[in-house]
Amino acid sequence: QSVLTQPPSVSGAPGQRVTISCTGGSSNIGAGFDVHWYQQLPGTAPKLLIYGNNNRPSGVPDRFSGSKSGTSASLDITGLQAEDEADYYCQSYNSDFSAVFGGGTKLTVL
Amino acid sequence: EVQLVESGGGLVQPGGSLRLSCAASGFTFSSSWMTWVRQAPGKGLEWVANINEDSIKKDYVDSVKGRFTISRDNAKNSLYLQMNSLRAEDTAVYYCVRSGDYHFGYWGQGILVTVSS
Repeated sequence: QSVLTQPPSVSGAPGQRVTISCTGGSSNIGAGFDVHWYQQLPGTAPKLLIYGNNNRPSGVPDRFSGSKSGTSASLDITGLQAEDEADYYCQSYNSDFSAVFGGGTKLTVL
Repeated sequence: EVQLVESGGGLVQPGGSLRLSCAASGFTFSSSWMTWVRQAPGKGLEWVANINEDSIKKDYVDSVKGRFTISRDNAKNSLYLQMNSLRAEDTAVYYCVRSGDYHFGYWGQGILVTVSS
């Protein structure tokens, strides 16, 4: 049971928009800790996708965006492409300064 | 270019020990927090341990406290994870990660640790 809750799977057709939610609580996201997102392509290591709720590292397309409100956060992917098919994880911190991840969401591009 | 290369994984019996190493390059290692994250087969990511720049601050997930020890050698640009009293549930790919500002910016390719008799 992960501390942060994500839907197990989402799907969308090429060109469409999908949103992945991440729900925490008062001891992590609600306590003011930022939310970060990672993309894990099949058979590879995770890669930082969004940091500090809504910032993209260099090289990440602007089709990816993040937001945070209260005890939840969201990752939006617009203009869906076949290469976006991957697992996505949200991450934050607890008040005891332990890092926490969501259980992961598998994105399928139809 | 940031590079993180893990080594030291493999098959170990329950109750055994293993030491993972991570060779870092392409950034100022001595100024970076470092982290170990693991991923059990077919499962999600789990934070294991953090260590700050001068090894003063170390934090662990509850399930490994008292069994795992994170350490670093800034002179050798290396991060370590000493794993004792290993259990079947420790079986996972272990990632060496450069961390900072509460997120994980760069990941190694990962190393598999299998705990089985």
